[in-house]
Amino acid sequence: GQNIDQPTEMTATEGAIVQINCTYQTSGFNGLFWYQQHAGEAPTFLSYNVLDGLEEKGRFSSFLSRSKGYSYLLLKELQMKDSASYLCAAMDSNYQLIWGAGTKLIIKP
Amino acid sequence: DTAVSQTPKYLVTQMGNDKSIKCEQNLGHDTMYWYKQDSKKFLKIMFSYNNKELIINETVPNRFSPKSPDKAHLNLHINSLELGDSAVYFCASSQRLEDTQYFGPGTRLTVL
Repeated sequence: GQNIDQPTEMTATEGAIVQINCTYQTSGFNGLFWYQQHAGEAPTFLSYNVLDGLEEKGRFSSFLSRSKGYSYLLLKELQMKDSASYLCAAMDSNYQLIWGAGTKLIIKP
Repeated sequence: DTAVSQTPKYLVTQMGNDKSIKCEQNLGHDTMYWYKQDSKKFLKIMFSYNNKELIINETVPNRFSPKSPDKAHLNLHINSLELGDSAVYFCASSQRLEDTQYFGPGTRLTVL
């Protein structure tokens, strides 16, 4: 079956760095997406990886290893506004997104 | 200049009623989706439309029916509402099926 695993919750300190891991199993693979979702709001797109390696976008970076079925989202210089859920989603061979349950990130001052 | 919009934002109704949720996108995208997000926060795809043709129809009850008058709109009609239908429903759109999806603000449906 198709499956996405990511930690349920993580806590980090303002100004620090945090890495949110995601492992996936899909029927075929057409890329890995990360979305941010603040409580009561819509998911917003953060990053997309389809090739192995690191994609950097400001304070956020995303890494993919296709051979390991593994991705991570790296958040640097954490700010209080980064408190949110981070959703990992893998696109299968039918271009359907398979979603994880999300990682709730709590930032402490 | 909202990209993907939904109405209403909140919907409270009684069991057995019929209701609709509207979605519009002004991004010129060819594909639109409906997702259900339950209390455990899983996003579950319900339907997607590409150029007005249904291309994914997950195992949702046939009480749910998507209606697309044109490629900028995808409405969700729900018949005979049940308690288990209570959730947040998100509309989304993408240029093509394989492209990044952009979400509307969500409709929180509560069935009493």
